Amino acid sequence: GQQVMQIPQYQHVQEGEDFTTYCNSSTTLSNIQWYKQRPGGHPVFLIQLVKSGEVKKQKRLTFQFGEAKKNSSLHITATQTTDVGTYFCAGNSGGGADGLTFGKGTHLIIQP
Amino acid sequence: NAGVMQNPRHLVRRRGQEARLRCSPMKGHSHVYWYRQLPEEGLKFMVYLQKENIIDESGMPKERFSAEFPKEGPSILRIQQVVRGDSAAYFCASSQGQGVSATYGYTFGSGTRLTVV
Repeated sequence: GQQVMQIPQYQHVQEGEDFTTYCNSSTTLSNIQWYKQRPGGHPVFLIQLVKSGEVKKQKRLTFQFGEAKKNSSLHITATQTTDVGTYFCAGNSGGGADGLTFGKGTHLIIQP
Repeated sequence: NAGVMQNPRHLVRRRGQEARLRCSPMKGHSHVYWYRQLPEEGLKFMVYLQKENIIDESGMPKERFSAEFPKEGPSILRIQQVVRGDSAAYFCASSQGQGVSATYGYTFGSGTRLTVV
């Protein structure tokens, strides 16, 4: 079945440093979504990418979808303490079931 | 406009008992998904339902687990004869549909933390 892998599993940064998490799928995706989960909380939808090579920005967050639609990345510029949490990518291969396959997430830990 | 409502937030069951987890989707959403999350792990897909229909249950264990989304009332995830390995956070999510979910993503509930003692 479809697998979605994320690296790194954990990332420690100093406040103000940049952060990037990478997502790779074993199959071509019709779209990819990104979610953020705060400690003890639930996943919250951030964005969806659909087009090959697409780049979207939300303030300090930049999301990219690879040309082959099998990988994606999330980059945060100048991290703040409010960015703490786990960032998940989730892929949909468009098989009709519409159930998303989630990666294991990248835990972002920020040291003040 | 209430979001996805899950209850209970915390549930403790002894081994062998039944656990019932409820999920009311966001108003206007007709698609419900159940995911399981173990500590420090990602979200594992279990089942996708629409009203009165199971669309995809490929992630659901064959035994002891069942799910329904009746015409009236919330979606229910039922775990019979629970074992310690069932301890996890169970999240429900809803979306408007296949096409629109592409734009707005899933809306998740706050989850039910199941502890089996």
